[in-house]
Amino acid sequence: GAGVSQSPSNKVTEKGKDVELRCDPISGHTALYWYRQSLGQGLEFLIYFQGNSAPDKSGLPSDRFSAERTGGSVSTLTIQRTQQEDSAVYLCASSGTGTGQETQYFGPGTRLLVL
Amino acid sequence: GESVGLHLPTLSVQEGDNSIINCAYSNSASDYFIWYKQESGKGPQFIIDIRSNMDKRQGQRVTVLLNKTVKHLSLQIAATQPGDSAVYFCAEIFSGNTPLVFGKGTRLSVIA
Repeated sequence: GAGVSQSPSNKVTEKGKDVELRCDPISGHTALYWYRQSLGQGLEFLIYFQGNSAPDKSGLPSDRFSAERTGGSVSTLTIQRTQQEDSAVYLCASSGTGTGQETQYFGPGTRLLVL
Repeated sequence: GESVGLHLPTLSVQEGDNSIINCAYSNSASDYFIWYKQESGKGPQFIIDIRSNMDKRQGQRVTVLLNKTVKHLSLQIAATQPGDSAVYFCAEIFSGNTPLVFGKGTRLSVIA
């Protein structure tokens, strides 16, 4: 596609429920990133996929968070047993061929509200 | 730990004036820097980038300056317009195609 897309754009859930957030990167981009942005804050790195390599999960805040990337394209971020502190905007970004430092392009984000 | 930070959290400028947004970084090994603009309810939008082998780069109405001696990055916006109102983030990459390290952002408000 023309840009990074994410779905849903908004998600309201009850505490304790699981949620899945989806990211479609720019076609041909090999690197995909998930970030979290809490209200009025900067972006916090969560997880990073590069090609077929094992993902860098060093930013995941707890074992309730997981992500996968199928076929080197679409990615799903799953949050199990959601907590109120998980409320944030979850942003996905992708970048090009992975041959060096390349600009990361962001999607519009999924706004998650845990009641 | 190493971090990217911004000197001012808010900046108000008159329409038509030039804006300067500053950023300090602490990792001398960082060699790629990006400025993003984020409007309310949207994801960050790429504005301009610069690599460490340069000290200045110009785009359309925007200029990024990099001072590696004092580890300082700035974004200059010429003839600021109401549409420039947003939060601006600087970000650095330490090496390779790794995750960005972001500062907390500066909110730019343009007064008409």
